[in-house]
Amino acid sequence: GAGVSQSPRYKVAKRGQDVALRCDPISGHVSLFWYQQALGQGPEFLTYFQNEAQLDKSGLPSDRFFAERPEGSVSTLKIQRTQQEDSAVYLCASSSATGSVVYGYTFGSGTRLTVV
Amino acid sequence: AQTVTQSQPEMSVQEAETVTLSCTYDTSENNYYLFWYKQPPSRQMILVIRQEAYKQQNATENRFSVNFQKAAKSFSLKISDSQLGDTAMYFCALYRGTGANSKLTFGKGITLSVRP
Repeated sequence: GAGVSQSPRYKVAKRGQDVALRCDPISGHVSLFWYQQALGQGPEFLTYFQNEAQLDKSGLPSDRFFAERPEGSVSTLKIQRTQQEDSAVYLCASSSATGSVVYGYTFGSGTRLTVV
Repeated sequence: AQTVTQSQPEMSVQEAETVTLSCTYDTSENNYYLFWYKQPPSRQMILVIRQEAYKQQNATENRFSVNFQKAAKSFSLKISDSQLGDTAMYFCALYRGTGANSKLTFGKGITLSVRP
């Protein structure tokens, strides 16, 4: 597609519910990143994929967070047993180069998750 | 570890005037990239300007320019002839690494309001 597409745009979950957030990167982009942005803060790195390989998951805050990109294109970020502190905007970005920003990242518009 | 600090939470400028947004950073790397991103209410991160650390010349993109002071680890953004459409959050970001260590580190951001 022309840009990075994320769905849903808004998600309200009851505490304890599982959620799945989808990212559809630009076609052919090798690198894919997930970031978490709390209200009034800058984005924080969660995880990085190069094709289908998850090369860095050091930013995932707990084992309730899981990300996958099985065919090297669409990625899903799953959060199990959601907690109120998980409320944030989840941003996805993709890049054509293998981890390099020389060609720039393209960000999606994010999913705003609210846990009630 | 690398850090990015934006100490001004918000700024306001009159339309057509010039405003400077401050950013300092810390990294042990010698080769890295610095960025300014704009985030309007639509939430999509838009790249404003990029600076390679090995380049001494300050980057310029139309009305946007930077003052990159490598020794002081300072990277400020100057917006000339401010326009109403410049109203947004602005994030300073630092990138280092290749492959598995690739990631952007963002500051907390600054809210810029352009007054008519």
